Parts: sequence; C-alpha cells; structure tokens
Amino acid sequence: EDQVTQSPEALRLQEGESSSLNCSYTVSGLRGLFWYRQDPGKGPEFLFTLYSAGEEKEKERLKATLTKKESFLHITAPKPEDSATYLCAVPGRRALTFGSGTRLQVQP
Amino acid sequence: GAVVSQHPSWVICKSGTSVKIECRSLDFQATTMFWYRQFPKQSLMLMATSNEGSKATYEQGVEKDKFLINHASLTLSTLTVTSAHPEDSSFYICSAPQGTETQYFGPGTRLLVL
Repeated sequence: EDQVTQSPEALRLQEGESSSLNCSYTVSGLRGLFWYRQDPGKGPEFLFTLYSAGEEKEKERLKATLTKKESFLHITAPKPEDSATYLCAVPGRRALTFGSGTRLQVQP
Repeated sequence: GAVVSQHPSWVICKSGTSVKIECRSLDFQATTMFWYRQFPKQSLMLMATSNEGSKATYEQGVEKDKFLINHASLTLSTLTVTSAHPEDSSFYICSAPQGTETQYFGPGTRLLVL
C-alpha cells in the first residue's frame, strides 16, 4: 500500500528564514510526486510534479527536489504570503494519495 | 493551469435533508473526476471516483447510497449527500485530471449540517 509521510507537521519561520519541508514516500512504482499548496478553506493549488530521482523544479521562492525515497520542498527567504499548508501526493490506484501536510506559518 | 469550479462554496442545511454539490471543469473535458473529503487539520481523503457514462467507484467505507454521484457530462459531476447528518459536516473537494500530468482541484464546498 502506498504511503506518504510529511514532516514537520507544523513549521513557524521568520520572514526571510529559509527552510525545507520533507515528504517521504513508499510506493510500488513511482508515477510522479506532486506538491500542492492549500490555503484555509480552499482547494489545493498545484505547484510541481516530479518524476525521477535528481529532478528539481522551481517556482519563485520554492524549489522541489526528488530522491528515490523522499522529496523536499525548499523555501528560500519566505514571506508571510507563503503561509499555507503544503501537501505532497503520489498517484494511487485511482486518485492521489496525500500526506498529512505541513502547516507553514511565516511571521513578519 | 486548468480551472475546476464547485458550487456552492458553502451550504448549511438541516439534518435529514439532501444537498447537491456540483463540480465543473471549465476549460477541459474530464471523463473522470474525483471527490475528496477533508476534516479540519486533516488531509484529503478520497471518497469516490466519478466516471462519465458509468457508475462511480467508491472507496472502502463510503456509503454509495448516501453519497450519490452522477457524472452528467464531460465537464460536470455532482455529489449529492442524502439524508445529511451532523457527522457529514466537512469540506468536500473535487478534482479532475488533465492529461497525464496532474490533477486540478476545485475550491471546495463547506457543508454544515445542523
């Protein structure tokens, strides 16, 4: 059974303080790893898809990387507007299997 | 990215009534759509897969007679919560895949059953 584990559960940063979020996965055959951002009371917003170990993708202050066992979402010099829950997911038998998410709070 | 809409965005109903939630893909066709449920501070849990032209596929533990799904067209799926009870109060989110790249999610519908 596919498993996705995210850590930490919650993270509080000062504005400008860079950090990384972790997503560990166990799947029978990786068909992609997805990162989403979710704001309170809203649906997840697509950020990245990674397909193979060593792959990296960037978007503004975010960079996602992938190894054979985990993915990292690096946040460089975060701003308060980066505060959200970040979810990673892998394709399951039918739909996506999500991790429990990391709630990020960036304080000014 | 692709756009998926949901209606209504929130609904309050009395216990025992039925509530219909619509999910639309606005700029692409989707033969499959997915319905998720999310409780506070928890992640998304897949409820069912909506299939255009055939019956929906429900996840284990999800009552198909309570959560009726109809994939009316290539751009519309509906979820009807029948005889709603307070424990059905949750955040319901649909998604639709575009090609093989990813899934796009709707903004969600918050249901409160009194």
